[in-house]
Amino acid sequence: AQSVAQPEDQVNVAEGNPLTVKCTYSVSGNPYLFWYVQYPNRGLQFLLKYITGDNLVKGSYGFEAEFNKSQTSFHLKKPSALVSDSALYFCAVRDVSTGFQKLVFGTGTRLLVSP
Amino acid sequence: GAGVSQSPSNKVTEKGKDVELRCDPISGHTALYWYRQSLGQGLEFLIYFQGNSAPDKSGLPSDRFSAERTGGSVSTLTIQRTQQEDSAVYLCASSPEGSNQPQHFGDGTRLSIL
Repeated sequence: AQSVAQPEDQVNVAEGNPLTVKCTYSVSGNPYLFWYVQYPNRGLQFLLKYITGDNLVKGSYGFEAEFNKSQTSFHLKKPSALVSDSALYFCAVRDVSTGFQKLVFGTGTRLLVSP
Repeated sequence: GAGVSQSPSNKVTEKGKDVELRCDPISGHTALYWYRQSLGQGLEFLIYFQGNSAPDKSGLPSDRFSAERTGGSVSTLTIQRTQQEDSAVYLCASSPEGSNQPQHFGDGTRLSIL
């Protein structure tokens, strides 16, 4: 079965500092990996995805993520955090080899960027 | 362009009543998903529609939950005989066909059962 772990309930970072939000996954085959962000009282917004190719993926709002197959990780990163980045972040995986179409989401990590 | 639209945005009802939640996906998107997000929890998959294929209902928590998608577009999630544990935000998402496509989410319906 496919699963996603986001080990940190909350990440605190000062504005201007780099940020990392961690994600590890478990699938039996090849993964498609996604990051989403959720602002209060809103749905999830797509940030970026890894399908194949370069392990470093760039997405919206200056975010990027690095796929590491040996560590089964897909950590979200940004070189310089903004206060407006404060939100709830979800990592999700789809196991392509099973034919399952649904995404399995992690429990989310709240990012708090202080001025 | 228009995103995924969900209605109502908020619904308060009494325990035991039936509720219907509506999702209008992005035009041309063949896949439609329903999720449930409870306070402090992640997203729980409920049901998935893809074109004219039989829906994947594996996430529906009980037989009080059902969903349909008419004409490959609008979907309705129905909860019968609501219970207090049904209180949650119900999110709908749609995507183009293809497992590498991201899902686009609506803003959800916040359901409160009194």
